[in-house]
Amino acid sequence: QKEVEQDPGPLSVPEGAIVSLNCTYSNSAFQYFMWYRQYSRKGPELLMYTYSSGNKEDGRFTAQVDKSSKYISLFIRDSQPSDSATYLCAMSEPGGGNKLTFGTGTQLKVEL
Amino acid sequence: DGGITQSPKYLFRKEGQNVTLSCEQNLNHDAMYWYRQDPGQGLRLIYYSQIVNDFQKGDIAEGYSVSREKKESFPLTVTSAQKNPTAFYLCASSTPGTGGNEQFFGPGTRLTVL
Repeated sequence: QKEVEQDPGPLSVPEGAIVSLNCTYSNSAFQYFMWYRQYSRKGPELLMYTYSSGNKEDGRFTAQVDKSSKYISLFIRDSQPSDSATYLCAMSEPGGGNKLTFGTGTQLKVEL
Repeated sequence: DGGITQSPKYLFRKEGQNVTLSCEQNLNHDAMYWYRQDPGQGLRLIYYSQIVNDFQKGDIAEGYSVSREKKESFPLTVTSAQKNPTAFYLCASSTPGTGGNEQFFGPGTRLTVL
């Protein structure tokens, strides 16, 4: 079993929909949680960063962490075609040498 | 303009050849990382360095080598011992104390073995 599980998709939604992307993990020591967006043939771009449990909002994006369930989510409101990309979750533990453990990524397509 | 640069963008290698991928950052970050990305497998850590003149193996270091002689630079050599080197290679950097382990990525190098 992988430390971080993420549904690869593809996930196809109409423009304007609310998108929910999720990851589950098994290592209870993870404290830092990140979401990256990766366009085709490009490097990942950091979207959201959260520490421990709770919600964080940035514009149309909301990151949610539920440590009791070992489950993190990224919500995208009013999705746009420009949101079409692969979304990677990543997480790390304190004292882990700054190493991140990544999910495999979910491919999202927002259609007109 | 601060950021991470990787070169070349595309690289073709014949079997049995060593190749070196360049990674430079001007973000003044202490730590640098090399990842390999294959379809359906996410990012896998090859090597990382938390400080100049020091580096550690990641999860898939076999067939790769690195050096860290300058803070700004962390080149990766893909040796002929790497059995399946065709992949997308990503370099990243971070600095402790900026809220955790946020890593910032370069644009990547796509390596193809002919």
